[in-house]
Amino acid sequence: QSVLTQPPSASGTPGQRVTISCSGSSSNIGSSAVNWYQQLPGTAPRLLIYSNNQRPSGVPGRFSGSKSGTSASLAISGLQSEDEADYYCAAWDDSLTGPVFGGGTKLTVL
Amino acid sequence: EVQLVESGGGLVKPGGSLRLSCAASGFTFSSYSMNWVRQAPGKGLEWVSSISSSSSYIYYADSVKGRFTISRDNTKNSLYLQMNSLRAEDTAMYYCARDSGRWEGDFDYWGQGTLVTVSS
Repeated sequence: QSVLTQPPSASGTPGQRVTISCSGSSSNIGSSAVNWYQQLPGTAPRLLIYSNNQRPSGVPGRFSGSKSGTSASLAISGLQSEDEADYYCAAWDDSLTGPVFGGGTKLTVL
Repeated sequence: EVQLVESGGGLVKPGGSLRLSCAASGFTFSSYSMNWVRQAPGKGLEWVSSISSSSSYIYYADSVKGRFTISRDNTKNSLYLQMNSLRAEDTAMYYCARDSGRWEGDFDYWGQGTLVTVSS
């Protein structure tokens, strides 16, 4: 049972826009920045979005993040086959004194 | 180029111990907080432990508190995780991850992981 709640799966066709939601509480998303990670099959996670909506260098502009209250979302526009991966949201949790992760969303490109 | 290389994983019996290492290169190791994050087979990510740049601040997830000890040696650019009283539920890929320095719990570089299997 993850502290942050994500849908277990999402899907879209090439070129489509998909969004992945992440729900938390006042002790994590409500009071901290949200970060997103992408994990391609068989590889380590990669930081995709930090500080709610910032992209590290090298991350395509097709990826964007937003946050409102105790929820956040990741949007991927112009979906490509190489975007097929697991996506995790994360945020610092004040009551746990550490970061918490969502359970992950498996994105399938149809 | 930032590189994090974990080692030390393997098969261990319940109740046993294991020490993981993470060798860092390509950045000033002593300036960054470091973390261990694990992922059980087919499951999601779970933060395990964090250590500040000078080892002044150390935090653990409740699931490992009292059993695991994080440490670092800035002279050797290395991070460690001593794991004692291992349980079947500790079976996972263990990743070493660098804190970005933004104090927002985001990890900007990850190692490739080392697999720990706890089984009799």
